[in-house]
Amino acid sequence: DTAVSQTPKYLVTQMGNDKSIKCEQNLGHDTMYWYKQDSKKFLKIMFSYNNKELIINETVPNRFSPKSPDKAHLNLHINSLELGDSAVYFCASSPTRISTDTQYFGPGTRLTVL
Amino acid sequence: RKEVEQDPGPFNVPEGATVAFNCTYSNSASQSFFWYRQDCRKEPKLLMSVYSSGNEDGRFTAQLNRASQYISLLIRDSKLSDSATYLCVVNPRGWGKLQFGAGTQVVVTP
Repeated sequence: DTAVSQTPKYLVTQMGNDKSIKCEQNLGHDTMYWYKQDSKKFLKIMFSYNNKELIINETVPNRFSPKSPDKAHLNLHINSLELGDSAVYFCASSPTRISTDTQYFGPGTRLTVL
Repeated sequence: RKEVEQDPGPFNVPEGATVAFNCTYSNSASQSFFWYRQDCRKEPKLLMSVYSSGNEDGRFTAQLNRASQYISLLIRDSKLSDSATYLCVVNPRGWGKLQFGAGTQVVVTP
């Protein structure tokens, strides 16, 4: 059973399109995250939700909008895609929001914007 | 200055040898420290948390030096399967807002 799953695994699209990435965790965790890993391999946090409430909202263009319909799901919608959005997007979850909790990552969604 | 800095490597290590590398962090108020491992084109996975007194997990030993603001990872008796990128991860506050280094690549050769 996959603990943190993401769909799709690969996404190739044209500039200007709108796309969504879905994430689900079956671990019963309260907290979920979206990270972006760019070509330089840095993983940077974008958003975090705790029990469906947004708790971390980094400096991310407002073309990116997360949505958490329930605590097991966190989706990411991206409007008007740009070339610079090409990256691997990882979803993660942790039991709670405290700093010592292990974060469990999904397999990633490789987004390529042409 | 980056918040978490690592030597990118690669560290080429003969099988059975020991390898060690450090990571420095800029925020002296950082509270939690971790090493994650990331295989090529895969997701990061927790290798170990780093405790103030240092800790060991099998062949892996992690140390924290708060005065100099660095953490270290030592791998003994390297295996081919240890080849990966090791990500230094710091949590500057009491929330799950992890800061990742860009990783140190380790290549274990037969």
